[in-house]
Amino acid sequence: QSALTQPPSVSGSPGQSVTISCTGTSSDVGSYDRVSWYQQPPGTAPKLMIYEVSNRPSGVPDRFSGSKSGNTASLTISGLQAEDEGDYYCSSYTTSSTVIFGGGTKLTVL
Amino acid sequence: QVQLVQSGAEVKKPGSSVKVSCKASVGTFNTYAINWVRQAPGQGLEWMGVIIPIINTAIYAQKFQGRITITADESTSTAYMELSSLRSEDTAVYYCARGNGAVADFFDYWGQGTLVTVSS
Repeated sequence: QSALTQPPSVSGSPGQSVTISCTGTSSDVGSYDRVSWYQQPPGTAPKLMIYEVSNRPSGVPDRFSGSKSGNTASLTISGLQAEDEGDYYCSSYTTSSTVIFGGGTKLTVL
Repeated sequence: QVQLVQSGAEVKKPGSSVKVSCKASVGTFNTYAINWVRQAPGQGLEWMGVIIPIINTAIYAQKFQGRITITADESTSTAYMELSSLRSEDTAVYYCARGNGAVADFFDYWGQGTLVTVSS
């Protein structure tokens, strides 16, 4: 099973909004509302930012939001801040009862 | 406080096996699933498999079928991931992560990671 498709990189200036897409298939993203997003600063373990498409864990700023349409999920970060820089990964539950990750997107705050 | 503490770095020869442990804090082990995710140098995250300790059931990614075994020891709240027939491409940081949600599909707590280096 191939990884979910994410853009390799996105960038934005402080205060702007950016959106990262995550495209899968009808066997994963399209089948369930079970898409998650993770932030990974360099050299650290990933941190959960969004689960079940649009839910934020406690402590995650409401600048982070998630959505889904068909086989594509999206993470939007509004009011971009320097601390938001890092790699972002989406993941999805699949019809094989497994989990699949996206290839990752590097966010640069200009 | 939820904690997942992993074993230390390993250096292995090609063709050998490695076993990484992940000790979970009280309350985590008998309620949640434990997943294993790896990350090769400069690469993305790759899900390897999961174990649900309370029912002692493991599910593996197709890519690792036949080479991976995930087990759980309830008496010590420790999960193990063993990968055999190691090759250089298995050099990576291996993470355990707590699976949450109805199907344990999102990972809210992560171990610190264990670097496994495969080299002759």
